[in-house]
Amino acid sequence: ILNVEQSPQSLHVQEGDSTNFTCSFPSSNFYALHWYRWETAKSPEALFVMTLNGDEKKKGRISATLNTKEGYSYLYIKGSQPEDSATYLCALYSSGNQFYFGTGTSLTVIP
Amino acid sequence: KAGVTQTPRYLIKTRGQQVTLSCSPISGHRSVSWYQQTPGQGLQFLFEYFSETQRNKGNFPGRFSGRQFSNSRSEMNVSTLELGDSALYLCASSAAGFSGGLETQYFGPGTRLLVL
Repeated sequence: ILNVEQSPQSLHVQEGDSTNFTCSFPSSNFYALHWYRWETAKSPEALFVMTLNGDEKKKGRISATLNTKEGYSYLYIKGSQPEDSATYLCALYSSGNQFYFGTGTSLTVIP
Repeated sequence: KAGVTQTPRYLIKTRGQQVTLSCSPISGHRSVSWYQQTPGQGLQFLFEYFSETQRNKGNFPGRFSGRQFSNSRSEMNVSTLELGDSALYLCASSAAGFSGGLETQYFGPGTRLLVL
């Protein structure tokens, strides 16, 4: 069982603030990393698939970076909006042919 | 395209009973994987089916089983339910399965199971 950790566990920011959170994983077991957004009462929605050291992905105001050598990925949200309120999950795909999920970062954007 | 659907959405059972959950993937997707989420835990991988064959399995007891039909719909069965099986069960579909971790998974809304 691989340990994927996400921090912080929860976050409250004001509308318009930029924010970021972290997904940490054992660097020796990296194949790919996925980020998801999970809004309450909805299905988790895929954001990014990260595969290479130094990989950087962007979708609108959300971007993600990856450092496989040190075992972490950052998710950034620029100018947070209330609709960004959700739990953000990361999932590591590793040599065991399965995904290992973190427990998520719960983001609340206050209008 | 219609998304991934799961039925039922909510279920209450008692200890010792068994339960069957259903997952219909996105049309054309051949892989279905199942996950369990209990309070305070990340999603835990149960198993993955591709073209009616179980390809990968997580670390769960044999009470948890599944199958996939020729139309890619999948069912998950839990026998002899325990209180600790109370959880949200999510399924996800993808076109080609895990494929080295590069395929995007599309999740259903989940089935919330309560065992009394």
